This record gives sequence, C-alpha cells and structure tokens, in this order.
Amino acid sequence: EAEVAQSPRYKITEKSQAVAFWCDPISGHATLYWYRQILGQGPELLVQFQDESVVDDSQLPKDRFSAERLKGVDSTLKIQPAELGDSAMYLCASSLAYRSTKNTEAFFGQGTRLTVV
Amino acid sequence: GNSVTQMEGPVTLSEEAFLTINCTYTATGYPSLFWYVQYPGEGLQLLLKATKADDKGSNKGFEATYRKETTSFHLEKGSVQVSDSAVYFCALRRGNTPLVFGKGTRLSVIA
Repeated sequence: EAEVAQSPRYKITEKSQAVAFWCDPISGHATLYWYRQILGQGPELLVQFQDESVVDDSQLPKDRFSAERLKGVDSTLKIQPAELGDSAMYLCASSLAYRSTKNTEAFFGQGTRLTVV
Repeated sequence: GNSVTQMEGPVTLSEEAFLTINCTYTATGYPSLFWYVQYPGEGLQLLLKATKADDKGSNKGFEATYRKETTSFHLEKGSVQVSDSAVYFCALRRGNTPLVFGKGTRLSVIA
C-alpha cells in the first residue's frame, strides 16, 4: 500500500541551529501539506502545495520557516534558527487533487518528532 | 471560519464498554467530515469519513453519522478493546481548503 514517507523520524537539535525535514507524498498526489502538532493538540496547517506552487502559507512563520517542493513531488521544510517553542511533531500529508469535488481525504506520514534543546 | 470542537479527554473505559466521543463543527456550505486516529508516536490514520448529510461512515466497528441539523459527527463503538487506546481527532474539509482538526480526545481502554 502506498504511503507518505517522512524522514527523519526523530530529530534533536540545539536552539539557533538549522533543521530540515523531508517528505515524499503518495505517487500521483498533487496536493501536499505540512502540519505542526504540538503535544496534546490537534495538527495545525503550516503550508499547502499544489504541485510545486504554494497555495496557502498564511500560518507559516516566514522569518524562520521555509518550505519548497521544487519538482512538484517531494518536499522539504526547513527551520532556521530553531527555537525551543518549535519542539513538536511535524506531519506531512498528501491528497489526490486540489480542485476536487469529492472532498478527498488526506493521507499522513508518520511524522518527524523535533526536540529543540 | 471553519472549526471543530470535540469533547475533552482523557476518556477511560473498561474493555467491552460503549464509546461515544462528541464532535461538533462550524462551517459554511457542506464540508466533508472525518475521524482520524493517532497511536503513540505515529502519524494520523483515517478511521472513517462522511461526505454529505445523513451519511454514516464506519470502519473497524466504529461509526459516525453526519448530522447537519445538529452540526455533529459523534464517534461511537459498541465494544471497545485495549487496542483502541489512542488519540482520536475529528476533522472537516470544505472544498479546496485543508483539513481543520479538533484538539483530539485521548482514549484509554483498560482490561
């Protein structure tokens, strides 16, 4: 069964350092999402891509976070510099189509657990 | 804007007990509704969904009915097992917008 792949699973970094996460969506899925999930809370959207274009990054802290999906397939989320408050689970998800009338669900990867010390 | 409110946990039940986790939503138009489950240290897995009013989603013994009149999508299971212990998230998606999640409800089932 096709899955969303994320790496690394766990990352510990010191504050002020740079950190990057990688996501490979399910093949053929045009829409890719990055969510942040703080412990004990629900996931919150950081950025949404349609193919290689950003369609929503209104909640992305752009002073330190960046995201790209250069070829419209896999994606990288970067934080520089990391802060203590960035400790969270970073989840990547993909779905089949952006302009879908079927309201298709998103499929999630296993996430990257980031700890900033 | 769109939002989801679900009952706060944790919920602790004995094995074979009946489960209800309440979820209500606020949205314009006709969203699709979802329940996702998250096991410890894992990502989210889709449990069930409903795309229009009065639809019933079901999977692995869990059910939820899309009630437009009460804007609700309560999750139920007739007999829970220890393996059902997890965090459950209610979510909605309206058209092209990303999923909007509730805060999650932690379920613990004891033998």
